[in-house]
Order: sequence, then structure tokens, then C-alpha cells
Amino acid sequence: KAGVTQTPRYLIKTRGQQVTLSCSPISGHRSVSWYQQTPGQGLQFLFEYFSETQRNKGNFPGRFSGRQFSNSRSEMNVSTLELGDSALYLCASSWRGGREGNYNEQFFGPGTRLTVL
Amino acid sequence: ELKVEQNPLFLSMQEGKNYTIYCNYSTTSDRLYWYRQDPGKSLESLFVLLSNGAVKQEGRLMASLDTKARLSTLHITAAVHDLSATYFCAVARSGGGADGLTFGKGTHLIIQP
Repeated sequence: KAGVTQTPRYLIKTRGQQVTLSCSPISGHRSVSWYQQTPGQGLQFLFEYFSETQRNKGNFPGRFSGRQFSNSRSEMNVSTLELGDSALYLCASSWRGGREGNYNEQFFGPGTRLTVL
Repeated sequence: ELKVEQNPLFLSMQEGKNYTIYCNYSTTSDRLYWYRQDPGKSLESLFVLLSNGAVKQEGRLMASLDTKARLSTLHITAAVHDLSATYFCAVARSGGGADGLTFGKGTHLIIQP
């Protein structure tokens, strides 16, 4: 079974621009979560989507948004980029269905490394 | 607010030694995860601990969970160089839902020959 894939793997943008990152979950997984990883703040939860609906959201400004499509693929968008948005953005997928899925083991993709200049 | 604290944050040890990484969390949780991350790589799932007293072992790593003490440990036995990595614990809030995980800051482990 193929793992979680993320595109692009590396991205360089300048302040003020916007960026869209893509995540394809493991086949059959319906939940996609996004995390930001920086040296200073560590790993922080951005949001989670399930069946095209945002179910949970972390403590990030409205510049960070996302969506999920009917095939469970997800995108996240960051508008008006700031230097502090430079980070590794990780996507994780999980099954989240039925009793066995209640514990929601999350499988992480390779990440997109975003550099804002 | 759920908080997760790991200690130590940095650990340098010699091959063949044993050591334990600790993970404390602040509120009730019924799921605790341990992940490994190599430099420049993503997170690799090591263990999922679901109940009080749960113990799981894989090779030289053993993880346990005490939900009453809100404490999980990751024990390394007879360390080898290949175990050098950053180890994270992550906790989900109780309720069974797919909440986002709250991560500890990670333990950067270096194992020297």
C-alpha cells in the first residue's frame, strides 16, 4: 500500500506571496491532518479534515486554510506569507472509521519544506 | 490546554547502555504515540499505547503507559548507533475522536560507539 504523499517537497517563496501544498492520503484513509514543524515551536497541529469537513483546528491565524476533496486528497493554503512561516509542513492520514479506527493512528508523509525569503 | 513535556530533550549515550525517555502530559488522554524522526525526514510511527498499563516492545525499544500518573516511558536497551534520532511522544485528547495530536518537544538522541 502506498504511503502518504506530499507535493511539492521543497518550495521557496517570498514574503507576501501565497502557497498551496498538497497531500494524498493512504488509500482508504478518510482523515487528513496537517502539522507545522519549526525548530522553535516544534510540531504544532494546524487542522484536520474528514469527509471534506474541517473537524478540528489548531491555534493558527486565518492565513492558514485548507480543504479536502471527495477523494480525501487535501490541500492547505497559506496566504500573505511571513518569514516565520518557513517550516516543514507535514500531512498525516488516518482511517478514522469504526471501532478499530477510534484510536486514529496517524501516518505521516515526507513533508513539504517551505522557505520564505 | 493539553501540554506534553518530554525529558531529557538531549541525550548522548554510549552503545550498549540503557536509558529511558520520559513523557508527561497534563490532561486525561486515552491515546499516546511515540514517533521517531531522522534528520530531514518525516515521522515514523513506533508505538501506539491505548490503555493504562500498556507495554509494547520492538527490538531494543520498549514503551509503557501509566494513565493515572499521565506518564509514558520509552526505554532503550543496549543502545546501538542506528537508534540515533529524535524521538517524539504525542498525545490525543480523550474521547476517541480524531483530534490533532499534541507533541512533546522531542528528545534528540545521539548514540556514540
